[in-house]
Amino acid sequence: GAVVSQHPSWVICKSGTSVKIECRSLDFQATTMFWYRQFPKQSLMLMATSNEGSKATYEQGVEKDKFLINHASLTLSTLTVTSAHPEDSSFYICSARDSLFPDTQYFGPGTRLTVL
Amino acid sequence: AQSVTQPDIHITVSEGASLELRCNYSYGATPYLFWYVQSPGQGLQLLLKYFSGDTLVQGIKGFEAEFKRSQSSFNLRKPSVHWSDAAEYFCAVGTGGGNKLTFGTGTQLKVEL
Repeated sequence: GAVVSQHPSWVICKSGTSVKIECRSLDFQATTMFWYRQFPKQSLMLMATSNEGSKATYEQGVEKDKFLINHASLTLSTLTVTSAHPEDSSFYICSARDSLFPDTQYFGPGTRLTVL
Repeated sequence: AQSVTQPDIHITVSEGASLELRCNYSYGATPYLFWYVQSPGQGLQLLLKYFSGDTLVQGIKGFEAEFKRSQSSFNLRKPSVHWSDAAEYFCAVGTGGGNKLTFGTGTQLKVEL
C-alpha cells in the first residue's frame, strides 16, 4: 500500500519550453501533496504544498508563476515548469499524504529534469 | 522553526557490522520524527517513524530508532548491516498533521564486503 508514482521518470527539454510532471497516489486518496526539489548530493527542499481543489502554498523564494501546481483530484497533482532554463535542471520529488492517515508522507520515485 | 542535523556526511561499515546513524533535531513542541532511505536516482522510502509512545521504534528492513527527548536525538540503528543497505539516509522532523517536513542533509552509507 501507499504507493506514489511520478511521470515521467526523466525528461530532457530545450530552454524556454514548459514541462509537466505528474504525481499520483495509486492506492489511497491524498488531499495534500508536496513538491520537493533535490540538487545533486543535497537534501530535499520543499517547494510547495498542494491541496486538492485549492491554490498551492509556495515556500519562500519559490516562483509560483514559474512552477505551476495543479491538484485537480484526490489522486493527482501536477507540477509544470514554465519557460524552463538550465538552472531548473534538478531532481523533482513529490510526496502524498494519505487522507485517512495524515501524519506520514509517502514519496514518489522522482523525476530527473534536464534543460538544455 | 524546526531543523535537523545529521552530523555524519559519509559512513562506511563492513557487512555484518552494526550501524548507528545520528540525527539531532530542534523543535519547540513534540516532534514527529522520520527516517527515510534513498537509493541512487530513486525517491524516498519510509523506514520508520515516531509520533508518541514507546521511544524505541521498529521499522522495516531490520532498522530501529530511539527517541531521546533529553538529547533531542533520534538515532537510527541496525545490528547487522547488509550490502544492500548502502544508500542515502535522511532524518526528518515534521509538525503535527503531516504538514511540511524538514530534512537533514543526509548520511551516505557505504558497505564494505
